[in-house]
Amino acid sequence: ETGVTQSPTHLIKTRGQQVTLRCSSQSGHNTVSWYQQALGQGPQFIFQYYREEENGRGNFPPRFSGLQFPNYSSELNVNALELDDSALYLCASSRGGGTETGNTIYFGEGSWLTVV
Amino acid sequence: QKEVEQNSGPLSVPEGAIASLNCTYSDRGSQSFFWYRQYSGKSPELIMFIYSNGDKEDGRFTAQLNKASQYVSLLIRDSQPSDSATYLCAVNNAGNMLTFGGGTRLMVKP
Repeated sequence: ETGVTQSPTHLIKTRGQQVTLRCSSQSGHNTVSWYQQALGQGPQFIFQYYREEENGRGNFPPRFSGLQFPNYSSELNVNALELDDSALYLCASSRGGGTETGNTIYFGEGSWLTVV
Repeated sequence: QKEVEQNSGPLSVPEGAIASLNCTYSDRGSQSFFWYRQYSGKSPELIMFIYSNGDKEDGRFTAQLNKASQYVSLLIRDSQPSDSATYLCAVNNAGNMLTFGGGTRLMVKP
């Protein structure tokens, strides 16, 4: 039990649609990062939010966007869904961000997205 | 391009043996290193992290870091069938943004 909660756990969308995934960070953690994990691969870093600002971004197109709220929870939005967006989307919670290096990084249970 | 490399396996060990999982990374500026266990269909579960050169032990698990060789490993002593999973090595280059390897699948046979 990491204290990181994600919703929904599973969802099916049609190509071209938009999706919003949600994450609540562990108590005391002010940094949320999002990862995409395709089947059989390691997670790929999408972006990170720290103190409500995007703090870093991986190699993902602008149709992947996010928000962080004052309570440090976060949303991942994906527009114009493509078949290749089908994956497990993971939220990671930690303390620090920017130039700080936190001690522990915990993942939520993930949201399984299938695009048909 | 910052890379993290792992042998995909499967690595098969008998119950009670030591499992040795290895990982190399390309960015010399990497600050900390994480090992996660992932069961099929589940999210990654943190096993342990290491910052400094040398060994760090936690129960049956030992992480080893050699920054000069850009190499990190995980040893699992007294391996159990319940340890069968995919083990992910992750490197924290800065600010808790992780770069993952592709994972090593471990099979512990009774």
